Amino acid sequence: EAGVVQSPRYKIIEKKQPVAFWCNPISGHNTLYWYLQNLGQGPELLIRYENEEAVDDSQLPKDRFSAERLKGVDSTLKIQPAELGDSAVYLCASSLGTSGTSTDTQYFGPGTRLTVL
Amino acid sequence: AQSVTQLDSHVSVSEGTPVLLRCNYSSSYSPSLFWYVQHPNKGLQLLLKYTSAATLVKGINGFEAEFKKSETSFHLTKPSAHMSDAAEYFCVVTRGVNFNKFYFGSGTKLNVKP
Repeated sequence: EAGVVQSPRYKIIEKKQPVAFWCNPISGHNTLYWYLQNLGQGPELLIRYENEEAVDDSQLPKDRFSAERLKGVDSTLKIQPAELGDSAVYLCASSLGTSGTSTDTQYFGPGTRLTVL
Repeated sequence: AQSVTQLDSHVSVSEGTPVLLRCNYSSSYSPSLFWYVQHPNKGLQLLLKYTSAATLVKGINGFEAEFKKSETSFHLTKPSAHMSDAAEYFCVVTRGVNFNKFYFGSGTKLNVKP
């Protein structure tokens, strides 16, 4: 079974440029997550989708970050314009169910390492 | 409020000796707890999880963890370290009624010496 796929794996851009990351979750997984991982820290949730709906985007800096999950499968995360402080690893994860009453395991992709110069 | 505290940012052990990575949590509800491992330039891989069943949880690669409610701890152990265990380890807790909201600790880097 294929895992969570992310592309690109690495991206180097200059500040003020736009950038987009793509994620393909595990087939059949209804919930998709985007996380930000700064160097030496644990991941922090940016946004969580249940199917097509963004159910938790409270930590997403909406002035420059946007995300979409059309048709409830693939997702893209965009930054426009990028700032120096956005340099980090952006992780995508997926899980089978939705919020419900039990905890699903989250399966992570390899991440996209963004460097903003 | 901090939900997960990993007590050591770095742990160094010799190959063949025991591993102990410490994690304490805070949660108003019965939590679910996880340990993930991250090798360099790789994604996070699930080692094990606790979801209110047996308090001693066995995971992959010989790792296990014990949920101790009285101590609010979920320490990760392995009897004998292998060189391939060198990686960063994250303790994760769900808090509150939103079971799919994960809170990550800051990570513990495990170094295994030959």
